[in-house]
Amino acid sequence: EIVMTQSPATLSVSPGERATLSCRASQSVSSNLAWYQQKPGQAPRLLIYAASTRATGIPARFSGSGSGTEFTLTISSLQSEDFAVYYCQHYNNWSWTFGQGTKVEIK
Amino acid sequence: QVHLQESGPGLVKPSETLSLTCTVSGGSISNYFWSWIRQPPGKGLEWIAFIYYSASIKYNPSLMSRLAISVDTSKNQFSVKLSSVTAADTAVYYCARVPKGGPTVGYYGIDVWGQGTTVTVSS
Repeated sequence: EIVMTQSPATLSVSPGERATLSCRASQSVSSNLAWYQQKPGQAPRLLIYAASTRATGIPARFSGSGSGTEFTLTISSLQSEDFAVYYCQHYNNWSWTFGQGTKVEIK
Repeated sequence: QVHLQESGPGLVKPSETLSLTCTVSGGSISNYFWSWIRQPPGKGLEWIAFIYYSASIKYNPSLMSRLAISVDTSKNQFSVKLSSVTAADTAVYYCARVPKGGPTVGYYGIDVWGQGTTVTVSS
């Protein structure tokens, strides 16, 4: 089973600043990676798929990069509504695994 | 706009079977994969299973011996059963939609989620 490891566990950022979240796969997953945002009491929301493609309606301040085993989600200028938990997810035809999440909190 | 709604008992006794149904409204159940995902209290997300009609089914290997997933196209619903539950199965259970297409299942991500239903396993 491929293990997805996210870092840091918690990221403290001031509004307007840049946030960089990391996700590492235990073996190459090509570009088969998605990012989700989850706010308390809500279902996750798809942000990025195929490592770098923004989902419908996602603001341009969210960007994804990477391939193989190293991936990054960047939020260029944090807005108040961006404080949440972010999960990466590996997918292939027969198995999906999520990272443990990074909480982005207000500094 | 597609809407997913989970339904089922909120309390299940240990060793019994947890049964949940997801009703799809605002769109057809055809041409998509459908999935169940859960989240224990205060923890991260865990994929449970997905199904495409009844032809393509895949279970999380760690749960597959206790799982059964099915789809009822006439009712626009899909369901999951998890047997021999323990307290470790206590979680919010989400149903979700996965667009079909692309080079691999999940290529376009999980684009629609239900609101989630809390299931507690306790005597």
